[in-house]
Amino acid sequence: GDSVTQMEGPVTLSEEAFLTINCTYTATGYPSLFWYVQYPGEGLQLLLKATKADDKGSNKGFEATYRKETTSFHLEKGSVQVSDSAVYFCAPSGTYKYIFGTGTRLKVLA
Amino acid sequence: DTAVSQTPKYLVTQMGNDKSIKCEQNLGHDTMYWYKQDSKKFLKIMFSYNNKELIINETVPNRFSPKSPDKAHLNLHINSLELGDSAVYFCASSQPGQSYEQYFGPGTRLTVT
Repeated sequence: GDSVTQMEGPVTLSEEAFLTINCTYTATGYPSLFWYVQYPGEGLQLLLKATKADDKGSNKGFEATYRKETTSFHLEKGSVQVSDSAVYFCAPSGTYKYIFGTGTRLKVLA
Repeated sequence: DTAVSQTPKYLVTQMGNDKSIKCEQNLGHDTMYWYKQDSKKFLKIMFSYNNKELIINETVPNRFSPKSPDKAHLNLHINSLELGDSAVYFCASSQPGQSYEQYFGPGTRLTVT
């Protein structure tokens, strides 16, 4: 069945450090790929997305590239801020259904 | 203008009780979902409705019964609450064919004592 593997957290970084959160998936066909972010006490919100191979999604300084050959969608940011502290979820989508990763908690220290 | 709203935000109740959580979306989406998030932040889909019809039911105990009176609403009723039901429940909606992006509600934190 479809699945997603996301690197375990928590990830603790200093402000302005480089961030990578790995995500790989298995899915039938070619799903759209998403990263969602959950700030403390809130629901999930879309961070970025890519709908086909080699597409790069980007938002708020975060980027991820749809790599069909490695079935990966790693999240990166060049310089994290304290306000980026949250839980990040990788999610390939299928019709009517998402498969969410286990979530990676990021903590950024000032 | 909240896109996906849930009530209540917090719910504290005793084992054995019956409770309901309500969800409404004003986005005109055809598909709505219920998710359960445990204390480790693991997010699991419970149900999905498309145009008021149940399309996904993920091995959820039959104590949980979703109801969709119209495509803008998806309520969750839980009978005979158990300690293990304590979690945060999220409602979400999406429009199939529009890149499948989901819009989440703020969550309902259910505590069963």
